[in-house]
Amino acid sequence: GAVVSQHPSRVICKSGTSVKIECRSLDFQATTMFWYRQFPKQSLMLMATSNEGSKATYEQGVEKDKFLINHASLTLSTLTVTSAHPEDSSFYICSARWDPQETQYFGPGTRLLVL
Amino acid sequence: GDSVTQMEGPVTLSEEAFLTINCTYTATGYPSLFWYVQYPGEGLQLLLKATKADDKGSNKGFEATYRKETTSFHLEKGSVQVSDSAVYFCALRGNTGGFKTIFGAGTRLFVKA
Repeated sequence: GAVVSQHPSRVICKSGTSVKIECRSLDFQATTMFWYRQFPKQSLMLMATSNEGSKATYEQGVEKDKFLINHASLTLSTLTVTSAHPEDSSFYICSARWDPQETQYFGPGTRLLVL
Repeated sequence: GDSVTQMEGPVTLSEEAFLTINCTYTATGYPSLFWYVQYPGEGLQLLLKATKADDKGSNKGFEATYRKETTSFHLEKGSVQVSDSAVYFCALRGNTGGFKTIFGAGTRLFVKA
């Protein structure tokens, strides 16, 4: 299947700093990328959907100024958690697809811990 | 709106036991249905999928049949292994509204040797 990578896999930062997470589709062009957040022992919560070259669409309750998403190319999307706080600690997973009717492929996730 | 309901876990089985994880859905139209598996500390991997009624998805000994009459997509495996221990997510992708994927809550499976 298609491969999606994320970097870093794990990050620890101090409260108030910003953290950038990269998501790359390695062997296909991803017209759409998704960012999810997963709390311990819970399901995935969709945060936002981004289409290459356009602004991301955020789900209700997700602060767009807090979670900045950039989808500058067909193989790269970034999520920046700005002024991170301990409550932002979570497992962030990206997903990508090349066609709306095709399968989404998921990255391995990034574990963020904010101290 | 669209939703997915799957059985609560954890499910604990002995090796070689039969596995069923129930999943039902609510959706308009004809969604595609998926099972994803998540191993500890990792992202999701697609396990199997079915895109239309009566389709059977299968992979690694797991099977699920798209039952439109009962709006179900139950996951089954005839003989589980310790390595199958993971969290299993049932999901649907609608064919409207941006084709978003909606996930169930996940079911944790423990397989004992």
